[in-house]
Amino acid sequence: GQNIDQPTEMTATEGAIVQINCTYQTSGFNGLFWYQQHAGEAPTFLSYNVLDGLEEKGRFSSFLSRSKGYSYLLLKELQMKDSASYLCAAMDSNYQLIWGAGTKLIIKP
Amino acid sequence: IAGITQAPTSQILAAGRRMTLRCTQDMRHNAMYWYRQDLGLGLRLIHYSNTAGTTGKGEVPDGYSVSRANTDDFPLTLASAVPSQTSVYFCASTPDGSSYNEQFFGPGTRLTVL
Repeated sequence: GQNIDQPTEMTATEGAIVQINCTYQTSGFNGLFWYQQHAGEAPTFLSYNVLDGLEEKGRFSSFLSRSKGYSYLLLKELQMKDSASYLCAAMDSNYQLIWGAGTKLIIKP
Repeated sequence: IAGITQAPTSQILAAGRRMTLRCTQDMRHNAMYWYRQDLGLGLRLIHYSNTAGTTGKGEVPDGYSVSRANTDDFPLTLASAVPSQTSVYFCASTPDGSSYNEQFFGPGTRLTVL
């Protein structure tokens, strides 16, 4: 079957670094997406990985290991506005996204 | 319009009533999607359309129908609403449903079925 696992909730301190992990199992694989979703709002795209390794984009980085079915999103220099849910989604062989339940990130001052 | 719009923003509906959720995009994207989002669950695909004139079933299609008469519009119809269809519904689009493009989301419709 197809499955995405990520932690339900994480807490971090303003200015610190946090890593949100995601493991996936899909029928075929065409890449791994991370989205950010603030409460009551729509998801917005953060990153896409299809090759192994780290992709850096400002304060946010995303890592993929295809052999391990594993990805993580790394957020540096945390700001209060980073309080949100982070959704991991794997693209299957039909180019459809299989979504995790999301990780709610709480930032404390 | 810029991006994707959805209507209504929210709705309370009596069980058994028929309801159509509207979705319009002005990006000329070929592929469009309808998801529902429930607490503790990931986004689940209801129906999709890779191009105008074609539609397909997603993970949870029962009780829902869609049409794609043109590129811009992708309405979702609940023929006879039931309380288990209480959810937040998101419409999304992407330039090409057979490629690695990100999906762009509308603001969502919060539906309560009593």
